[in-house]
Amino acid sequence: QSALTQPASVSESPGQSITMSCTGTSSDVGGYDYVSWYQQHPGKAPKLMIYDVIKRPSGVSNRFSGAKSGNTASLTISGLQAEDEADYYCCSYRSSGTLVFGGGTKLTVL
Amino acid sequence: QVHLVQSGAEVKKPGASVKVSCKASGYTFTNYDINWVRQASGQGLEWMGWMDPNSGNTGYAEKFQGRVTMTRNTSISTAYMELSSLRSEDTAVYYCVRDEYKYSYYWGQGILVTVSS
Repeated sequence: QSALTQPASVSESPGQSITMSCTGTSSDVGGYDYVSWYQQHPGKAPKLMIYDVIKRPSGVSNRFSGAKSGNTASLTISGLQAEDEADYYCCSYRSSGTLVFGGGTKLTVL
Repeated sequence: QVHLVQSGAEVKKPGASVKVSCKASGYTFTNYDINWVRQASGQGLEWMGWMDPNSGNTGYAEKFQGRVTMTRNTSISTAYMELSSLRSEDTAVYYCVRDEYKYSYYWGQGILVTVSS
């Protein structure tokens, strides 16, 4: 079972916006609105940033937003801050009754 | 306040088994599935499987079928994950996470399992 596809790395300057992608298939990302995104700083447990494609947990900045089109989900971070520098993982429910993560994207805030 | 507290680090030899625990508190243990996720050093997150603490039903990722067993003890609100036939590639941090419904807000602190001869 292959993982979802994420770009290995992205970078942008503070104050700018960035969008990172997460590509799957019609059996996972495209077939269900169960895509979530996690932020992970080095040595820390992942933190939920987005769930059900577009929903934001209480306490997560509204600078973070999610979307989906076809088999590709995306996470947009606006007004980039130094603290946003981290690894980001997408996750989707799959028709086999399992969950699958993407390989992760390392965000560098220049 | 929800907490998932995992057992301490483990060091195992290749071919051995490891059983890690995850004690839940702050909520009704049987109301939420528990997932297990692992992460090798410098690598991404990998979903291993789920367990319904109420029924004991489980579902495992194909990669771990036949090698992983997820169980629970409802009297002490604790979930367990046992991985057998360990190999060096199983060296990783293992997390238990509470499933809200296809996503996870609450994570355990993670436990490092090292497989080395």
